[in-house]
Amino acid sequence: KAGVTQTPRYLIKTRGQQVTLSCSPISGHRSVSWYQQTPGQGLQFLFEYFSETQRNKGNFPGRFSGRQFSNSRSEMNVSTLELGDSALYLCASSAVIVSTSSGANVLTFGAGSRLTVL
Amino acid sequence: AQSVAQPEDQVNVAEGNPLTVKCTYSVSGNPYLFWYVQYPNRGLQFLLKYITGDNLVKGSYGFEAEFNKSQTSFHLKKPSALVSDSALYFCAVRAHNQAGTALIFGKGTTLSVSS
Repeated sequence: KAGVTQTPRYLIKTRGQQVTLSCSPISGHRSVSWYQQTPGQGLQFLFEYFSETQRNKGNFPGRFSGRQFSNSRSEMNVSTLELGDSALYLCASSAVIVSTSSGANVLTFGAGSRLTVL
Repeated sequence: AQSVAQPEDQVNVAEGNPLTVKCTYSVSGNPYLFWYVQYPNRGLQFLLKYITGDNLVKGSYGFEAEFNKSQTSFHLKKPSALVSDSALYFCAVRAHNQAGTALIFGKGTTLSVSS
């Protein structure tokens, strides 16, 4: 079956602009989460969505936002871009969350969207 | 607070030799532990996970990991390294009592296998 699809794969923006990244999860997966990967900070959790609701949020400023649609596809938006937002943004999907016991669920990652802010 | 430490930024081994990539964790309560691998310009690929039970977990591509509760470690191992194992390896943790699927990742360890 198809994996997690992220678009666009690469993009270049300038400071002050905004960007929207898209993620299509594996069919049947209803949980989508986003991570930022940078050489200095490594992988950091941004937020998680399930059934169109944000369930968890990492420690990022309000410029970072997201949403999930009824078909489980998700988008994240970064407004007023800063140079430090340059990163690989990874989306991951997981099977349905039914309880905390689902914490053993494996995340399946997409190839990422590499954002460069000039 | 949960955290993961991968003390080595880079591990170098010769092809055919055993490899170990180290990981220690800190979490309240029991952990779920994961290893992922990342190849250049690719997302993360799942290797293996520890949920409960046997301390030795076997995963993809001949990798295994040993859970040690007293040392709060989850080191990744492979008996015989291949050049194709060269990649960036991430250890991650999630607490049993945590809602949702968010993972805390280590900084990553670059594995370089020479021929």
